[in-house]
Amino acid sequence: KQEVTQIPAALSVPEGENLVLNCSFTDSAIYNLQWFRQDPGKGLTSLLLIQSSQREQTSGRLNASLDKSSGRSTLYIAASQPGDSATYLCAVDQAGTALIFGKGTTLSVSS
Amino acid sequence: DAGVIQSPRHEVTEMGQEVTLRCKPISGHNSLFWYRQTMMRGLELLIYFNNNVPIDDSGMPEDRFSAKMPNASFSTLKIQPSEPRDSAVYFCASSLVASPETQYFGPGTRLLVL
Repeated sequence: KQEVTQIPAALSVPEGENLVLNCSFTDSAIYNLQWFRQDPGKGLTSLLLIQSSQREQTSGRLNASLDKSSGRSTLYIAASQPGDSATYLCAVDQAGTALIFGKGTTLSVSS
Repeated sequence: DAGVIQSPRHEVTEMGQEVTLRCKPISGHNSLFWYRQTMMRGLELLIYFNNNVPIDDSGMPEDRFSAKMPNASFSTLKIQPSEPRDSAVYFCASSLVASPETQYFGPGTRLLVL
């Protein structure tokens, strides 16, 4: 059974710092991996989607990498801002259908 | 587009009562997913539908939970009878069958069972 783990569970950084969020999964047979953002009391918003054949995806200050063989993904946030404060969730699509989520990393960026 | 619409946004009920959560997917989307989020277990898939047909309900925790999708624009998740351990945030998401990875989430229903 696929399990997705995110470390750390919470992270606090000062504004301007670069940071890395980690995600690991136990079964490398995935279709794709996504990073989502969740703001308090809100739904999830997809940030980046990496297909299984890709190694990384970039969007603005965000860069996500995928190493399927080792079952790892990272989300790199450059020059963090207070507006980046949220919970970041990693999810894998194993069967081309539903997503399996990690429990998330709650990020707090102080000004 | 209004996005995925869920109602109610908040629900407080007493143990033993019936709870019905509602979802309206994005127009044109033909896959619909129900998730439950708790601190302990994170976000878990309960059930999903393709073209109004339930495909995988293995995540539905107990017979007390049931979900229906009578048409392409409406789905319900019902809990009867409700228990305190059902307290969670319930999310609905929709996508195209051809692009299941691109799911759009609703704002969720925060359920508290006393």
